[in-house]
Amino acid sequence: AAGVIQSPRHLIKEKRETATLKCYPIPRHDTVYWYQQGPGQDPQFLISFYEKMQSDKGSIPDRFSAQQFSDYHSELNMSSLELGDSALYFCASSLRDSVLFGPGTRLTVL
Amino acid sequence: AQSVTQPDIHITVSEGASLELRCNYSYGATPYLFWYVQSPGQGLQLLLKYFSGDTLVQGIKGFEAEFKRSQSSFNLRKPSVHWSDAAEYFCAVGLPNSGYALNFGKGTSLLVTP
Repeated sequence: AAGVIQSPRHLIKEKRETATLKCYPIPRHDTVYWYQQGPGQDPQFLISFYEKMQSDKGSIPDRFSAQQFSDYHSELNMSSLELGDSALYFCASSLRDSVLFGPGTRLTVL
Repeated sequence: AQSVTQPDIHITVSEGASLELRCNYSYGATPYLFWYVQSPGQGLQLLLKYFSGDTLVQGIKGFEAEFKRSQSSFNLRKPSVHWSDAAEYFCAVGLPNSGYALNFGKGTSLLVTP
């Protein structure tokens, strides 16, 4: 069965660089959620989109932005990266009460 | 303030023994409740969820959870643990109008001994 696809799976960046993470939801899923999970931490909700519009906002830093495109894929753009941004970034897609998390992108900031 | 508490950071059980992982929440209204499991370096897998109705919820892999409104709890149980159940377990809570914008607990790490 199709799953949520996230790319890249691993990413290494230097401080102050930018990064773009991509999420491809399950076909026909109309909602995307982004989460950040620091080392040994619980996932923190960042932001979500429904039908290409921002639907909810969590603890997303101002340095981050995100959008959902017409094909429902979403991108999380991160600028001025800091060491503390090193984390696993999950995307989840949902349709009504069905949700599936992606495998995550592991971002390491050096 | 809204919060999710998993009182046990680590739990060790013997293979074949029963398991109960605790989760308490503090929300103004009855929220949506979830349990997720995460193996090291892996994604989050939904075990079960509660929206409304029957307070005893059956999930995958033989897990169940019971919603107790009076105790603001949603404890996860399994009658007989297998070594493959060793993982991190997260309780998560959401508001009915926020879909899957969830507030996760800090997690409980389960170790299964032979």
